[in-house]
Amino acid sequence: DTAVSQTPKYLVTQMGNDKSIKCEQNLGHDTMYWYKQDSKKFLKIMFSYNNKELIINETVPNRFSPKSPDKAHLNLHINSLELGDSAVYFCASSQPTSGGASLTDTQYFGPGTRLTVL
Amino acid sequence: GQNIDQPTEMTATEGAIVQINCTYQTSGFNGLFWYQQHAGEAPTFLSYNVLDGLEEKGRFSSFLSRSKGYSYLLLKELQMKDSASYLCAVTRNYGGATNKLIFGTGTLLAVQP
Repeated sequence: DTAVSQTPKYLVTQMGNDKSIKCEQNLGHDTMYWYKQDSKKFLKIMFSYNNKELIINETVPNRFSPKSPDKAHLNLHINSLELGDSAVYFCASSQPTSGGASLTDTQYFGPGTRLTVL
Repeated sequence: GQNIDQPTEMTATEGAIVQINCTYQTSGFNGLFWYQQHAGEAPTFLSYNVLDGLEEKGRFSSFLSRSKGYSYLLLKELQMKDSASYLCAVTRNYGGATNKLIFGTGTLLAVQP
């Protein structure tokens, strides 16, 4: 059984279009994340939701809008796609602990969605 | 602010030992993870350190010195399949139960026969 799944795996689209990427986890985790990995392989957090509530919102253009219908799903909608949005987008999940970090904060990543904007 | 530094690339020989270093500067440090990422795949968890010292896990070990802001990942008996990017990530408290993972740029390890 896939722990964290994303669809689609590949997405090729034209500049200016609107697209969505879906993520689902069956680990029972409360927290989900979206990361962007650019061509230089730098992995950077974009958003995090805990139990459907937005808790981390990095400096990301407001063309990117995450949506969490329930704690097992975190989707990413991107409006007016630009060339610079081309990257691999990873979804991840973890089970947070209160106080200090522990091994349960380990994040499990989905397979990634390679977005190419032409 | 926060800063995580790793070498960009390393090359090693099959069967050898390689050490990948990571230095970091961050406030609210809560622990350090190492992830492995093969080309075109997702990062996968390798190790976690919160206290100073060495954590051993089979062929892989990870060391942390909190006072020096330094960690290393040691890979022994290298195999060709170990060719991958190794990502150092610092976990930092963001408030409440939320910890944020900040990744370094990764070290691309090439294992040669």
